[in-house]
Amino acid sequence: DIQMTQSPSSLSASVGDRVTITCRASQSISSFLNWYQQKPNKAPELLIYTSSNLQSGAPSRFSGSGSGTDFTLTITTLQPEDFATYFCQQSYSTPYSFGQGTKLEIK
Amino acid sequence: QVQLVESGGGVVQPGRSLRLSCAASGFTFNSYGMHWVRQAPGKGLEWVAFIFSDGTNKYYIDSVKGRFTISRDDPKNTLYLQMDSLRAEDTAVYYCARGRGMTVTVRFDYWGQGTLVTVSS
Repeated sequence: DIQMTQSPSSLSASVGDRVTITCRASQSISSFLNWYQQKPNKAPELLIYTSSNLQSGAPSRFSGSGSGTDFTLTITTLQPEDFATYFCQQSYSTPYSFGQGTKLEIK
Repeated sequence: QVQLVESGGGVVQPGRSLRLSCAASGFTFNSYGMHWVRQAPGKGLEWVAFIFSDGTNKYYIDSVKGRFTISRDDPKNTLYLQMDSLRAEDTAVYYCARGRGMTVTVRFDYWGQGTLVTVSS
């Protein structure tokens, strides 16, 4: 099974900051990596698919990159509504594993 | 608009069974693979099961193999998760999610609101 590891587990930032979250796979997954945002007591929402493709309706301040084992999610110019937990997820093979999550908090 | 509405959660004793349902609307249900994803209280997301759009193939995480069964009723636009021999560690919010894309490019583009399953004596 493929293990996904995110860093950091939590992050404090201010409105207007640029932040980067990293996701590492235990083996190469090509570009088959997705990112989700989850707010408290809500279902996750898809942000980025196949490493760098912005999901329809997701704000353009979100971007993704990477291939192989190392991936990043970048949020430019943080907005108040961006404070949430972010998960990466590989779709290279079942079981479709998620990272443990990165909680983005207001500084 | 796409809607997924789960139901069937509740409190159940260890070893007992429960069946979750996910009613889909707003899209051509039989054109999409469907997934169940769970989240234990205060924890991360865990993919549980997947069924192909035509129902021919099903995949499960090892921890539920032999105990959970995913199925679909396309005329009713409904996805199911039959959960048998439930354990305390199955306690979680269970989400159904639509799979968009082919097997390796699949992403979960729509999610239900979730239904809570609590396994406790």
